[in-house]
Amino acid sequence: NAGVTQTPKFRVLKTGQSMTLLCAQDMNHEYMYWYRQDPGMGLRLIHYSVGEGTTAKGEVPDGYNVSRLKKQNFLLGLESAAPSQTSVYFCASSRTGVNQPQHFGDGTRLSIL
Amino acid sequence: AQSVTQLGSHVSVSEGALVLLRCNYSSSVPPYLFWYVQYPNQGLQLLLKYTSAATLVKGINGFEAEFKKSETSFHLTKPSAHMSDAAEYFCAVIFYSSASKIIFGSGTRLSIRP
Repeated sequence: NAGVTQTPKFRVLKTGQSMTLLCAQDMNHEYMYWYRQDPGMGLRLIHYSVGEGTTAKGEVPDGYNVSRLKKQNFLLGLESAAPSQTSVYFCASSRTGVNQPQHFGDGTRLSIL
Repeated sequence: AQSVTQLGSHVSVSEGALVLLRCNYSSSVPPYLFWYVQYPNQGLQLLLKYTSAATLVKGINGFEAEFKKSETSFHLTKPSAHMSDAAEYFCAVIFYSSASKIIFGSGTRLSIRP
């Protein structure tokens, strides 16, 4: 039972490059989320989705785009990476609303040089 | 503005001692509250959740938390620390007035001394 799987686990980019982080869940959850975790700041919500084909902005959406073409997948894109986007990125899912427990992936460590 | 405050970015206790991790939130409306634990190089795992059914909530691994509306607090405790409890702990709150978005505290790293 995989739960929430994030790929890749590590990545180093140069400023200006683009990339996509993939999140896949096998629990048939409706809601999915992308967070970034920075030292001393906890987790901050980037974007989230309440169902297939929907996306919404979170607390820190600038510089990121997302897509939810399939219910089980939630993609996070960086069009032009900046050093300020160096962080650990976590994907999570929940069965229904945000008041349900969230299940997290193991994270993607992203460094922008 | 809504906020979640975890007092103490790092707490160190001896094995067998009481663990107390503090969480305060800014709201007069009882929200949903959670405690999550993060082990090194892993994602967050749910420890426990408050949903207004009872003020004392029991979670996994012997942890519990008490909701105190008058103090806007939801502190996490464990009577006797174990070496395996070393991890980072996050308090998270849902404020209904902010489109039901969850806000995480900055985290408290718990270290256990032998």
